[in-house]
Amino acid sequence: QSALTQPASVSGSPGQSITISCTGTSSDVGGYNYVSWYQQHPGKAPKLMIYEVSNRPSGVPDRFSGSRSGNTASLTISGLQPEDEADYYCSSYTTISILVFGGGTKLTVL
Amino acid sequence: QVRLVESGGGLVKPGGSLRLSCEVSGFTFSDYYMSWIRQAPGKGLEWVSYISNSRKTIYYADSVKGRFTISRDNAKTSLYLQMNSLRAEDTAVYYCARGHEGATSMDFWGQGTLVTVSS
Repeated sequence: QSALTQPASVSGSPGQSITISCTGTSSDVGGYNYVSWYQQHPGKAPKLMIYEVSNRPSGVPDRFSGSRSGNTASLTISGLQPEDEADYYCSSYTTISILVFGGGTKLTVL
Repeated sequence: QVRLVESGGGLVKPGGSLRLSCEVSGFTFSDYYMSWIRQAPGKGLEWVSYISNSRKTIYYADSVKGRFTISRDNAKTSLYLQMNSLRAEDTAVYYCARGHEGATSMDFWGQGTLVTVSS
C-alpha cells in the first residue's frame, strides 16, 4: 500500500485561507469515508483535527474543514493564525483493513 | 483526562529485540481499538499496527509483519509492541494512540518513545 500524496509545503498569511490536498486511490481515499487529518507541532505528538472526511473532534476550531472529491481529500484552514504553523498529515483506512498516511505538508504562516 | 504513556524505548543493536509498553488512563481501555504509529527522525508518520478491543482483530504494516507483535492486557490497561529482528530503518519515535471509530482514525496520542537501532 503506497503512501498518500501531499504537497511538501504550503504557505499563507494570517487571515488567509489555505488548502492541503491528499491524493490516494479508490482503494483508500476514494473508497471509504475514513479520511483523517492530523496536526503536529515540532517535538509534539500529532493531534486529530478531522475524522471521517469532514468531522471535527470537540475542541477543534471551525476554521478547520475537510472535504473529498473522488480520490483526493482536502483540508482547508480559513482565517489562518500563527499557531496553525505546523506539519499536517492525512491518513485513510484501506480496502485491506490497514491505515496509510500521507507524506506530510509543512504549513508556514508568513 | 485521557492519558497515554509509552515506555521501553532505547538503543538496541541490529537484530536485537525490544518491548514497548503504553499505559493508559482516563477512559475504559477495553472499549477501544489501539494503534502503534512511528516517525523516523525528520520523516513523516507511518502506521505500524492496530489491535481490536477484544484482541481478535490485528493488522500490521508490511514493513514490520513477521517481526513485530502487538498485544494488550485489558486488566492492566496496557498496550504492548514486541519488536524482534530490529533493523536500522526501525529507528523512530513510536507513538501509541487510541482508536476512533474502530481503528479508522486515532483521537488521543501518547508523547512517544524513541527507539534507536544502531551498532
